[in-house]
Amino acid sequence: AQKVTQAQTEISVVEKEDVTLDCVYETRDTTYYLFWYKQPPSGELVFLIRRNSFDEQNEISGRYSWNFQKSTSSFNFTITASQVVDSAVYFCALMNNNAGNMLTFGGGTRLMVKP
Amino acid sequence: DGGITQSPKYLFRKEGQNVTLSCEQNLNHDAMYWYRQDPGQGLRLIYYSQIVNDFQKGDIAEGYSVSREKKESFPLTVTSAQKNPTAFYLCASSAHQGLAGVNEQFFGPGTRLTVL
Repeated sequence: AQKVTQAQTEISVVEKEDVTLDCVYETRDTTYYLFWYKQPPSGELVFLIRRNSFDEQNEISGRYSWNFQKSTSSFNFTITASQVVDSAVYFCALMNNNAGNMLTFGGGTRLMVKP
Repeated sequence: DGGITQSPKYLFRKEGQNVTLSCEQNLNHDAMYWYRQDPGQGLRLIYYSQIVNDFQKGDIAEGYSVSREKKESFPLTVTSAQKNPTAFYLCASSAHQGLAGVNEQFFGPGTRLTVL
């Protein structure tokens, strides 16, 4: 069985602060994929990133960065210099290689960025 | 523009009625999925289809039915057997899993169903 845990249900920050969203996963498979999605108030999930289990390099995309650590089964997401438009619910998800593209989602973290 | 459309955006249903949610994609994706999202919670898989004329139950299929007669369409019927159908429903699609590994899912805008 696989599981994704996002322990932070809600985070509130003031604009320009940095914020890290935690994601911890459980899986018995050696090959797997991790994802982050953003769900703005409109409701549609927006794909942010995909990483496979063999690539532990951290990734940076503009103000977004991701820290993948297999030793702690974590895939944390950091937003630098947060903006009001970053306010959304963020989901971490896990997919195994043989799962037919099926995702297991965490419970989500609601991020509120105040001006 | 390529993408996934869901209709209607808001849907109201009386208890005891069946209702069908539409999901259409023009991304030429083989796989399609239906998720349910309850307030403050993550997404749970209802049904998925990897290919036309074939579909599988997800984690919470009871009270729901689907069909996949065309590649681009995957409608979801919420039946009267579903005990608590009020929720936000999201449809997604993905390209077929190939040698390069898995593919991310792309999501539609969702349908908010309320049972009166």
